[in-house]
Amino acid sequence: QKEVEQDPGPLSVPEGAIVSLNCTYSNSAFQYFMWYRQYSRKGPELLMYTYSSGNKEDGRFTAQVDKSSKYISLFIRDSQPSDSATYLCAMSAGSNYQLIWGAGTKLIIKP
Amino acid sequence: GAVVSQHPSRVICKSGTSVKIECRSLDFQATTMFWYRQFPKKSLMLMATSNEGSKATYEQGVEKDKFLINHASLTLSTLTVTSAHPEDSSFYICSALPTSGRLNEQFFGPGTRLTVL
Repeated sequence: QKEVEQDPGPLSVPEGAIVSLNCTYSNSAFQYFMWYRQYSRKGPELLMYTYSSGNKEDGRFTAQVDKSSKYISLFIRDSQPSDSATYLCAMSAGSNYQLIWGAGTKLIIKP
Repeated sequence: GAVVSQHPSRVICKSGTSVKIECRSLDFQATTMFWYRQFPKKSLMLMATSNEGSKATYEQGVEKDKFLINHASLTLSTLTVTSAHPEDSSFYICSALPTSGRLNEQFFGPGTRLTVL
């Protein structure tokens, strides 16, 4: 079993829809949770950074962390074609700065 | 802020030659930088952790004599692929961890696409 599980997709939704992306994990020591967006042939870009449990909102993006269920989510409201990309979750226990990555979910927003 | 550059963005070389890739943090200092490799439609694979002024720590299965890493300053790390072969063709991405910033928050470069003929 991988430490971080993420459905690779692709996930295809119409423009304007609410998108839900998820990751599950097995290591209860993880405390730092991040979502990165990666466009094709580009480096990942940090979207959301969360420490411990709870919600965090930034514009159209909301990140949720449920440590009791070992489950994190990223919601995108009013999705746009420019949101089409691969979304990677990453997490860390904080002890050695290394991130453990999900496989990435390819998201396609149809105009 | 928090911009990381990589150079070159794309390189094509002949088998047996060496290629150097530079990773620079442009507006912050980074004691620690990371080098990743990414295959098509796959997630990031950590190759090594580079700390300024000390030897890099390589992940299991990564040949340290083939992938030479130098982190000579707080803003520059280099990855040299020595005696490159076609199987080394890949997308190489670096990231930098600001010396002062949120724990574990890595900023990534745009990546370098290496093609070995």
